Amino acid sequence: KAGVTQTPRYLIKTRGQQVTLSCSPISGHRSVSWYQQTPGQGLQFLFEYFSETQRNKGNFPGRFSGRQFSNSRSEMNVSTLELGDSALYLCASSLGLAVSYNEQFFGPGTRLTVL
Amino acid sequence: GQQVMQIPQYQHVQEGEDFTTYCNSSTTLSNIQWYKQRPGGHPVFLIQLVKSGEVKKQKRLTFQFGEAKKNSSLHITATQTTDVGTYFCAGPQDSGGGADGLTFGKGTHLIIQP
Repeated sequence: KAGVTQTPRYLIKTRGQQVTLSCSPISGHRSVSWYQQTPGQGLQFLFEYFSETQRNKGNFPGRFSGRQFSNSRSEMNVSTLELGDSALYLCASSLGLAVSYNEQFFGPGTRLTVL
Repeated sequence: GQQVMQIPQYQHVQEGEDFTTYCNSSTTLSNIQWYKQRPGGHPVFLIQLVKSGEVKKQKRLTFQFGEAKKNSSLHITATQTTDVGTYFCAGPQDSGGGADGLTFGKGTHLIIQP
């Protein structure tokens, strides 16, 4: 069974631009969660989608948004990029909601650099 | 909001020594998960604990969930170079309206000196 895939793997943007990251979950998994990982703040939860609906949301500004498609693939968008948005963005898929006793499988991440 | 604190932040050990990382939550957790991230890699699920006082073992790794379900620990016996990485605990975050997502501790970086 193929693992979680994320595209692109690396991205360089400038301040003020917007970016869209993509995540394809493991086949059969209906939940996709997004995380931001930085050396200072560690792994921080962004949001979780299940059956095309946002079920949970972390404490991030509205510039961070996402969606999930009927095939469970998910995208996250960051508008008006700031230098502080430079991070590794990880998505994770699970059979059910991550908070409900479900193991998460992480993708390799997208390394975003904002100049 | 709920916080999940993890200590120590870094741990240097000689190969063959034991290692323990501790995780403490400000609130009671319904469950706790542990992940390992190798340098340059992504987090990989290790285990989930659900019951109060639960202890689970995976070869040289022993996981415990506290009686009050507010703390947990991971103990590695006789570390090997393959154990190098960052170990994270994670628990469901709840701002009062139901679970909001998983809160991860900042992790313990395990460095092994041969």
